[in-house]
Amino acid sequence: QVQLVESGGGLVKPGGSLRLSCAASGFTFSDNNMNWIRQAPGKGLEWVSYISSTGTTIYHADSVKGRFTISRDNAKKSLILQMNSLRADDTAVYYCARGGYQLPRGAFDIWGQGTMVTVSS
Amino acid sequence: QSVLTQPPSASGTPGQRVTMSCSGSSSNIGSYSVNWFQQFPGTAPKLLIHSNSQRPSGIPDRFSASTSGTSASLAISGLQSEDESDYYCAAWDDSLNGVVFGGGTKLTVL
Repeated sequence: QVQLVESGGGLVKPGGSLRLSCAASGFTFSDNNMNWIRQAPGKGLEWVSYISSTGTTIYHADSVKGRFTISRDNAKKSLILQMNSLRADDTAVYYCARGGYQLPRGAFDIWGQGTMVTVSS
Repeated sequence: QSVLTQPPSASGTPGQRVTMSCSGSSSNIGSYSVNWFQQFPGTAPKLLIHSNSQRPSGIPDRFSASTSGTSASLAISGLQSEDESDYYCAAWDDSLNGVVFGGGTKLTVL
């Protein structure tokens, strides 16, 4: 079935780095743009990063620009978020989400289960 | 605070019709499609409405949505206890070059 599975979360010290992965299955990964969205404990949803289906167009939220990098490997059906210079306010559940095929940006039709990132000393 | 503005809470009784709003600006709702998500505690969000008013397959027609200018609204008719959840609106914003979310509305079924 169509599925996204995140991994790589954990506890990291401020200033540290973490690499999140999202493994896709059950659909043609290269057809869809992909996104990372996060949710701090008890808070709302915050979009983090977008990458187009071919990887040629990338956007990052201002809050992570210069620190986070999104990338993808269509052959491996994998989405990556490299997170550097982590701060306490990056603590959140990070979701991988698929942009619906031929749907407007922001129409995230498939979500992973999320992976928790905790930034603390 | 969030770029899109949603009331923090809403409530209704079973069978009732409830609506919740989402207010934005010309750079987001005024120019781009609005999407709505439902999220239960401890679970990933689920796409409820895309392209302002379109329901993905499997979403009951009790859920409907519309937009007008720089605002959008989600309506749930025939309210059921299982509708008690958090609801988020989202849209592309061309001044931020990113997707913006509302802060979410927590729906309570009394």
